[in-house]
Amino acid sequence: GAVVSQHPSWVICKSGTSVKIECRSLDFQATTMFWYRQFPKQSLMLMATSNEGSKATYEQGVEKDKFLINHASLTLSTLTVTSAHPEDSSFYICSARGGTSGRAEFFGPGTRLTVL
Amino acid sequence: AQSVTQLDSHVSVSEGTPVLLRCNYSSSYSPSLFWYVQHPNKGLQLLLKYTSAATLVKGINGFEAEFKKSETSFHLTKPSAHMSDAAEYFCVVSDRDTGRRALTFGSGTRLQVQP
Repeated sequence: GAVVSQHPSWVICKSGTSVKIECRSLDFQATTMFWYRQFPKQSLMLMATSNEGSKATYEQGVEKDKFLINHASLTLSTLTVTSAHPEDSSFYICSARGGTSGRAEFFGPGTRLTVL
Repeated sequence: AQSVTQLDSHVSVSEGTPVLLRCNYSSSYSPSLFWYVQHPNKGLQLLLKYTSAATLVKGINGFEAEFKKSETSFHLTKPSAHMSDAAEYFCVVSDRDTGRRALTFGSGTRLQVQP
């Protein structure tokens, strides 16, 4: 149980295009989903927290107009990187909390974004 | 505010020897503490969690951790390392009384296991 999937697992795009990443909780209802980014050989940095049906809460320094988050249902959250640039290249990881997980989060496998 | 310090960025052990990955935390409230493992190019897997029950927590794959409030530590141990344990390990804290607050990650410890 407690499986979280992400799609796509990797994506390469041209500078200036937008990329959408999906995060799904497959076997539980996720009341809260989180989006992180991880640079090579570094730890995870929280970008934003989203609760189903409400606006996401962004961490300081994260541009909400650039990283659009939608949490339309209890099993799906999407992160859209708008007008991507090479510096947005990173490993994006989502996690979900809900059901009987308490404060533990279950993580997706991550999406590697490369912007050319 | 909450924070986590992983005292070693790299730990190298021989297969079959004990593993100790050190973690100290700071939390304004009663913390929940976790250890996650990340294998190369993979997502994170929860190894174990402490949420105010028993201070010695047993996790998957033979790992365990002990919550020591007086030392503000939550070190991860395993009696005998296996080659498959080689990965990045993250100590994580969450303030249980702050509602939606997400997890705060340590900087990670890379565990190498020598044959």
